[in-house]
This record gives sequence, structure tokens and C-alpha cells, in this order.
Amino acid sequence: NAGVTQTPKFQVLKTGQSMTLQCAQDMNHNSMYWYRQDPGMGLRLIYYSASEGTTDKGEVPNGYNVSRLNKREFSLRLESAAPSQTSVYFCASSELRGGFETQYFGPGTRLLVL
Amino acid sequence: AQSVTQLGSHVSVSEGALVLLRCNYSSSVPPYLFWYVQYPNQGLQLLLKYTSAATLVKGINGFEAEFKKSETSFHLTKPSAHMSDAAEYFCAVSDRRRDDKIIFGKGTRLHILP
Repeated sequence: NAGVTQTPKFQVLKTGQSMTLQCAQDMNHNSMYWYRQDPGMGLRLIYYSASEGTTDKGEVPNGYNVSRLNKREFSLRLESAAPSQTSVYFCASSELRGGFETQYFGPGTRLLVL
Repeated sequence: AQSVTQLGSHVSVSEGALVLLRCNYSSSVPPYLFWYVQYPNQGLQLLLKYTSAATLVKGINGFEAEFKKSETSFHLTKPSAHMSDAAEYFCAVSDRRRDDKIIFGKGTRLHILP
């Protein structure tokens, strides 16, 4: 099991450019999440997907779109990148075990927007 | 809506001393509570989780946390700090509905002094 994988690991964008962050999990989990991590802000939920074909906004969805392509993959798209989107992005998936969700995180994508 | 508050964005302890990282939660229903650890340049790893089976929860690397409903707290402790414990620690809360979001605190960076 590779667990949760993310690509790319690093990315530098210019303001206004677009890109898609990819996330995949091979654990057959239904729920997947995108977070951003900023110094002093902890982890903030951008979007999540409870199952294939469904997505919901989290705390900070503005400027992002997501796509749950299938059960394995959950991508995050920045249509027009802004410097405020410079952050480390984590994808996670979760399983229901013993009546509760346990999350598993990917290694993260470091994004710098100039 | 759930929330967690971690007291102290930075905590320093001497090697061999007690580690105490504080977390208070707010939840309208009995919560599930988690502690995650993030080592430098890595993703998040689950340390331990509370699911109501026992109020004192033991996790990996000698950490444990006690759920105190009367204090709405879930503080993380370790009797003797080791240099390898230097990392950022996140408390998180979720209610018991399936597919619900997991909300993270802002994190506490633990520094170990030689």
C-alpha cells in the first residue's frame, strides 16, 4: 500500500497561473480531504468529499475547486493563483473503523505563488 | 460546531522532563478527539485517539492523553521528553456522525532543550 500520494511535491507559480494538485489513495477509503497549512494557523480544511461524486466546502474554499474523479483520486485546482495561496497543501483520506473516522495524510505539496 | 483550542503555540521542555501539551475542545455532541504529530518536512501522523472506550488513551512513542469531560480537555502528556519528540502537535475533534469533518487546532510546536 502506498497510502496517500500527492503530486507534485513542490511547485512555483506566478500570480494568475493555474494548476491542479493531484491526490490518490489506495486504501479504498470513501472520504477524502484537502487542507492547507500555514504558520500559526494550523490546518484549515479547504474541501472534502464524503464519497465518489460528492464534494463539500470546508473553512477556506475561496479560490479553489475540487474534483472527485473516482474513489481513489481527489484533485484540487487553483484557477488563478494568488500569493495568498502560498502554503503547504495536504491531502488526506479517512476510514470508518470502530464507529469513527481516522485520517491518513499525504506528504504534502509546497506551493509558492510569486 | 466543533472547535479545538491549543494553549501555547510553542512549548519548550528539557530532555527528560514531563511534556504537557494542552487542548480544550468545544462540541455539542460527545466528541471523538485526536492528537497528530508532524515532524519537520513530513506529513501528519496519528498519535492517539479517544473514542469513549477509556478516558486515558495511550498512543505511540510513550504519549498518552486523558479525556476530561468536566474540563472539556484532552491534554497530551509524556513522562520523559526525548530529543526526537521535537515536532509540531495538533489536537483535532470530530463528532460521531460518519463522514463529518475533522477540525484541527492551530498546533503547538514542541522544543526539546538539551
